[in-house]
Amino acid sequence: AQTVTQSQPEMSVQEAETVTLSCTYDTSESDYYLFWYKQPPSRQMILVIRQEAYKQQNATENRFSVNFQKAAKSFSLKISDSQLGDAAMYFCAFLSNYQLIWGAGTKLIIKP
Amino acid sequence: GAVVSQHPSWVICKSGTSVKIECRSLDFQATTMFWYRQFPKQSLMLMATSNEGSKATYEQGVEKDKFLINHASLTLSTLTVTSAHPEDSSFYICSARWDRGNNEQFFGPGTRLTVL
Repeated sequence: AQTVTQSQPEMSVQEAETVTLSCTYDTSESDYYLFWYKQPPSRQMILVIRQEAYKQQNATENRFSVNFQKAAKSFSLKISDSQLGDAAMYFCAFLSNYQLIWGAGTKLIIKP
Repeated sequence: GAVVSQHPSWVICKSGTSVKIECRSLDFQATTMFWYRQFPKQSLMLMATSNEGSKATYEQGVEKDKFLINHASLTLSTLTVTSAHPEDSSFYICSARWDRGNNEQFFGPGTRLTVL
């Protein structure tokens, strides 16, 4: 069975600094999708970034980038130039058979 | 584009009553929608997969007679919590998978249910 592990329940970073959130997963599939979602206090789930496993190039969306290590089954999220609006829960998710398998989440705190 | 709405955004009901939550994909068709439950400070728990024109597929441990799902059109799925009890109080989130998309799910804003 596929599993997603986020080992950091909470992370804090100074505004304008860089922070990395970790995520590991377990699967026997070779082709799949990985996602990072943000859930702010409003609780609306917002897609941050997606990675297709067959693509070797790491996905990037403005200040957000991933370090995708397929062999190690690792999918970390790097947030550069952290802003107060980045404060939220961040969930790593693996897409399997059209269903998302979720990590436990990491609460990101931004210190002004 | 790719907006999903949920209604109501919050609801308070008495124990024993039924509550219906609607999930609509506003600008795209979604053969498949998903219903999640989220407890405070926890991740999303998939309750069921809703398929247009067919019966929903429930996850293990989810009572299908308690949580009725109807997906009558390509843009609407409903979740009815029947004979609600205080332990059903939770945050319910739906998502819709765009038929022509690339496996991405789009999420509704959620519904907070409080059962007194």
